[in-house]
Amino acid sequence: DGGITQSPKYLFRKEGQNVTLSCEQNLNHDAMYWYRQDPGQGLRLIYYSQIVNDFQKGDIAEGYSVSREKKESFPLTVTSAQKNPTAFYLCASSISPQTGELFFGEGSRLTVL
Amino acid sequence: SQQGEEDPQALSIQEGENATMNCSYKTSINNLQWYRQNSGRGLVHLILIRSNEREKHSGRLRVTLDTSKKSSSLLITASRAADTASYFCATPPRSFQKLVFGTGTRLLVSP
Repeated sequence: DGGITQSPKYLFRKEGQNVTLSCEQNLNHDAMYWYRQDPGQGLRLIYYSQIVNDFQKGDIAEGYSVSREKKESFPLTVTSAQKNPTAFYLCASSISPQTGELFFGEGSRLTVL
Repeated sequence: SQQGEEDPQALSIQEGENATMNCSYKTSINNLQWYRQNSGRGLVHLILIRSNEREKHSGRLRVTLDTSKKSSSLLITASRAADTASYFCATPPRSFQKLVFGTGTRLLVSP
């Protein structure tokens, strides 16, 4: 079945450590996105990529980094520079940036201890 | 900045009742989308309505769009306990391709 797979589902990190969240899709979608969701709030865009080897900052990119070396993969690294990293992270993809309809993974919950 | 804002923030109803959620947005759009999120899960796309459409149906869902008022509503008819979730509207501002999500309406449907 086609879809988006995020891993790990739960992750604990000590302060000062970098962590990488995985996002893989087999939908052959060009565009991929990372969102952050805090309790009781909407989604905020971290980074997005419209095509392989290209990505743009979203609204809250500080303290995060991404890569898009393959069409299927869009990993997100939460660096130690991110001051408040505890959150629920959602990866999504769309056929193209113009279509808009997003397909989401199940999310990764990061907790900083 | 938040493009869409849902109202109410929370809604509690009984099974069988209808649930109506509203979304207001700020800038011109070419389409508006509604998504559903079960607790602790990813979002699922429900319906997309284009700026030249006024109403759209999908099963028990009815979406309206009023571009003059920059608002949309989502109606869920004959609600079920399984409809309990958060519902978000999302819009792609004309100058960007990325969606901007509202803060969501938390719907609780009691048996």
